[in-house]
Amino acid sequence: AQKITQTQPGMFVQEKEAVTLDCTYDTSDPSYGLFWYKQPSSGEMIFLIYQGSYDQQNATEGRYSLNFQKARKSANLVISASQLGDSAMYFCAMREGFGSGGSYIPTFGRGTSLIVHP
Amino acid sequence: GAGVSQSPSNKVTEKGKDVELRCDPISGHTALYWYRQSLGQGLEFLIYFQGNSAPDKSGLPSDRFSAERTGGSVSTLTIQRTQQEDSAVYLCASSKGLAGGGSHSDTQYFGPGTRLTVL
Repeated sequence: AQKITQTQPGMFVQEKEAVTLDCTYDTSDPSYGLFWYKQPSSGEMIFLIYQGSYDQQNATEGRYSLNFQKARKSANLVISASQLGDSAMYFCAMREGFGSGGSYIPTFGRGTSLIVHP
Repeated sequence: GAGVSQSPSNKVTEKGKDVELRCDPISGHTALYWYRQSLGQGLEFLIYFQGNSAPDKSGLPSDRFSAERTGGSVSTLTIQRTQQEDSAVYLCASSKGLAGGGSHSDTQYFGPGTRLTVL
């Protein structure tokens, strides 16, 4: 079973509008971390935001926020006031805690391509 | 400070030749990861180093692939007898790893990648 699922292969948004990119995950470990990365056409993976499973508040970083719904096992990325430069691939990833005895390797989703229209 | 660097940025080689890809992690990062990304695809994990040892080599696709890390810093990924299906972007990432407490919050920082084309 996939540990990270990104169901939207592609998304379109108008400049200055908000957009939500979906991510659901699967783990039995109570301790885990969730990450979002942006990969523009240049190819470099850029870290955007992190959410810990025990964090009480949803993570925010500038125009990025994470809509963390633990019971639903979802960690959607919200980009407010989209800009043309936001056009890129976006990857969701999860690292489980050592408590599960699992690997230290984060698991990545297949990504969502976001295109921002002027 | 300097980020993760990789060299070369592009490599074109002929089928059957060996290639060596280099990754220079962020100073002080003890964990280093290699991934492969084929065109339009997600990340395929190859190998993970903690210090100089590789506790997880499970992603290496065949015995033609090997990697080493020396001095807890620079890592090289070697592909022997390259095949056309090896063509991809090879990404390296580093994180604080166990030196940072080994928590699940340990963030990976990626290099710009090496684009490998096997003719």
